[in-house]
Amino acid sequence: ETGVTQSPTHLIKTRGQQVTLRCSSQSGHNTVSWYQQALGQGPQFIFQYYREEENGRGNFPPRFSGLQFPNYSSELNVNALELDDSALYLCASSSGPGNTIYFGEGSWLTVV
Amino acid sequence: GEDVEQSLFLSVREGDSSVINCTYTDSSSTYLYWYKQEPGAGLQLLTYIFSNMDMKQDQRLTVLLNKKDKHLSLRIADTQTGDSAIYFCAASKSTGGGNKLTFGTGTQLKVEL
Repeated sequence: ETGVTQSPTHLIKTRGQQVTLRCSSQSGHNTVSWYQQALGQGPQFIFQYYREEENGRGNFPPRFSGLQFPNYSSELNVNALELDDSALYLCASSSGPGNTIYFGEGSWLTVV
Repeated sequence: GEDVEQSLFLSVREGDSSVINCTYTDSSSTYLYWYKQEPGAGLQLLTYIFSNMDMKQDQRLTVLLNKKDKHLSLRIADTQTGDSAIYFCAASKSTGGGNKLTFGTGTQLKVEL
């Protein structure tokens, strides 16, 4: 049990739709990162938020966006969903950008 | 950019030791992590090592780091069937824009009776 909680656990969306995934970080953790894990692959870094500001971004298009709230929880938004967006989306939190990183159980997104 | 590589599959007998290997390319990586992923689940942090260390032991787990060769290994002593899972090696690098983990493709460990 890492204390990082994500919702929803599973969802199905249609191509072209928009999705919002949510994450509550472990207590005391002010840094949240999001990763995409396609089937059979390792997780890929999407972006990181630190004190409500984006603090690093991976190689993902602008239709992937996020927010961090004053309580350090976070949202990942994906617009104009494509079939290749089907993946496990993992949220990770830490107590600072350079500190140990703990993951939640993930949100499984299927785009049909 | 950083590249992390792992062998894809390892099979061991219950009670034997398992050794999972990983190589990375960026010598400025600050932390190196091992995560475990069971089917349908998220990533469980097993252990990590700071880049200025060469060994870390935590109960059945031993991590060895050869910084010169950029080689990391995870040894699991007395491997049990419950250890069957995918194991990911990840390298962390801090930059001005925060830090990110670069993962390998994972090593599937199968423990046979």
